[in-house]
Amino acid sequence: SQELEQSPQSLIVQEGKNLTINCTSSKTLYGLYWYKQKYGEGLIFLMMLQKGGEEKSHEKITAKLDEKKQQSSLHITASQPSHAGIYLCGADIANSKLTFGKGITLSVRP
Amino acid sequence: DTGVSQDPRHKITKRGQNVTFRCDPISEHNRLYWYRQTLGQGPEFLTYFQNEAQLEKSRLLSDRFSAERPKGSFSTLEIQRTEQGDSAMYLCASSRGTFREAFFGQGTRLTVV
Repeated sequence: SQELEQSPQSLIVQEGKNLTINCTSSKTLYGLYWYKQKYGEGLIFLMMLQKGGEEKSHEKITAKLDEKKQQSSLHITASQPSHAGIYLCGADIANSKLTFGKGITLSVRP
Repeated sequence: DTGVSQDPRHKITKRGQNVTFRCDPISEHNRLYWYRQTLGQGPEFLTYFQNEAQLEKSRLLSDRFSAERPKGSFSTLEIQRTEQGDSAMYLCASSRGTFREAFFGQGTRLTVV
């Protein structure tokens, strides 16, 4: 079974719209990471959350960590075509390796 | 450039051949990870190093796979007797340690024909 579940699987939004994607862990989270990936390329680090209730922003992207729910959400405000890609959440589970979800494919229609 | 570097970017090989990939981490990063990613999936953990010590290997890492990190600097991942199922993107990442940001290279795309 997948330790990190991401939802929705894919998302298509109109340019300018806001959107939220989620990442839920089945195990205790020691750290939650968000990455973005363009098809066929490496992962680009967006942000890392460590404490419950922590919230970080980078440009128009905001991520929050709900430690009790073992869940993180990533919110994009006023989406642009440049936001399109695959969003992956990763987590330090079992205090060792960084484990990833399957990713969410975001398309932004001009 | 001080990012993670992987070489080669692309590799096409015939089934049964051996291949070796190289990863140069960000300097002073003591952790180095190897992942494999197939289409539509997230990166799957293969192995990681703390300095030169290989601390964990996934069940995915059959005896045809071997990884090294001599002197705790660059790392190599070798696949012997490649199979078509080995076709994937192989990603390397490095970090300063646990619970620290991990930065990825551009990956090596392997195609076994």
